[in-house]
Amino acid sequence: DTGVSQDPRHKITKRGQNVTFRCDPISEHNRLYWYRQTLGQGPEFLTYFQNEAQLEKSRLLSDRFSAERPKGSFSTLEIQRTEQGDSAMYLCASSPTLGREETQYFGPGTRLLVL
Amino acid sequence: KNEVEQSPQNLTAQEGEFITINCSYSVGISALHWLQQHPGGGIVSLFMLSSGKKKHGRLIATINIQEKHSSLHITASHPRDSAVYICAVPHSGGGADGLTFGKGTHLIIQP
Repeated sequence: DTGVSQDPRHKITKRGQNVTFRCDPISEHNRLYWYRQTLGQGPEFLTYFQNEAQLEKSRLLSDRFSAERPKGSFSTLEIQRTEQGDSAMYLCASSPTLGREETQYFGPGTRLLVL
Repeated sequence: KNEVEQSPQNLTAQEGEFITINCSYSVGISALHWLQQHPGGGIVSLFMLSSGKKKHGRLIATINIQEKHSSLHITASHPRDSAVYICAVPHSGGGADGLTFGKGTHLIIQP
């Protein structure tokens, strides 16, 4: 079974460092989403891609955050100059483009701790 | 932007009890999602529904589009149902939007 995978699963970094996370969606899923979840809260939408096009970005995605999906397959989320407030679980999800709305399949997440 | 409210935030029940979790949202939607999250983070989609009722095993989800309200029911609850249950809707109502999530209902089923 090739579900959504994310790498790394855990990341500890010092404040001010840059980090990059990778998401591999389910094969042939056109849509890919990034969410962030802090402790005790529901996930929050960050951005999403239709193939390689980034169609929407949340205002939560400050200029320190950038996401790419260069070939319409895997995606990367980079955080520059990390801050302690960036500590969270970063979740990726993908869905097919069969209809107007489809189930989203979630990866296991990358847990980031900024010291 | 859609707002999502879930209740209760926490629920502890005995094995076998009938469980109801409620969700309300502010903007008309194309479909609503119910998700389950276990400790450690993994999120699994339980239902996506746009009208009426859906059933999967002991889980039943209903939605009332006019009232902007949905419920998730668990019949004959079991300790393995213990998890966080999250309601989510497209953040601007429909299409391929990212989702806006409720804060979740933390359910504990005691044996």
